[in-house]
Amino acid sequence: GQQLNQSPQSMFIQEGEDVSMNCTSSSIFNTWLWYKQDPGEGPVLLIALYKAGELTSNGRLTAQFGITRKDSFLNISASIPSDVGIYFCAGLEYGNKLVFGAGTILRVKS
Amino acid sequence: EAQVTQNPRYLITVTGKKLTVTCSQNMNHEYMSWYRQDPGLGLRQIYYSMNVEVTDKGDVPEGYKVSRKEKRNFPLILESPSPNQTSLYFCASRRYLGGTYEQYFGPGTRLTVT
Repeated sequence: GQQLNQSPQSMFIQEGEDVSMNCTSSSIFNTWLWYKQDPGEGPVLLIALYKAGELTSNGRLTAQFGITRKDSFLNISASIPSDVGIYFCAGLEYGNKLVFGAGTILRVKS
Repeated sequence: EAQVTQNPRYLITVTGKKLTVTCSQNMNHEYMSWYRQDPGLGLRQIYYSMNVEVTDKGDVPEGYKVSRKEKRNFPLILESPSPNQTSLYFCASRRYLGGTYEQYFGPGTRLTVT
């Protein structure tokens, strides 16, 4: 099946830093989604994007639906320790199939 | 409270011993699905169901079965588990209504097949 290219694979953050990650695809999606997974739990939906060019915020999180409909970006501003976890992007195809990226692991720099 | 529950949360079993992982949701969602999560591969869809008695294969259906006899329940069945099915499994339900997407995942079932 199709996969999304999510980068970076992992990153270290220092409290207060801004964080960026992105997803690209060879196919067009009609909806882009971003999730966060904490250790030992299931993914939680953070942001849903419904049209090309859309920019949506959820607190310190901002995500964008790329103009080409083949990419999406997630930014976290002023990171805090509880931001650590795995972030997944996902694209919803016409016909309802959801395709996930491999995830970006966020760790705290010690 | 919106919730997807899975049982058991942890399971260690032996090759060939049939098992069932239950999944239940309380949001009256029509669409339910099962995923497996493996390191570096993200979440891959095993099976999905768009409504009662309607199920279809996802990307990695081999070795799995599902059923959808009631709207709230969507069990995952491994008739003859093998070690390559050792993984973390998630059930999810969702709705896309009025231009708004809503999805919930269960807490996960960690399965080890020896």
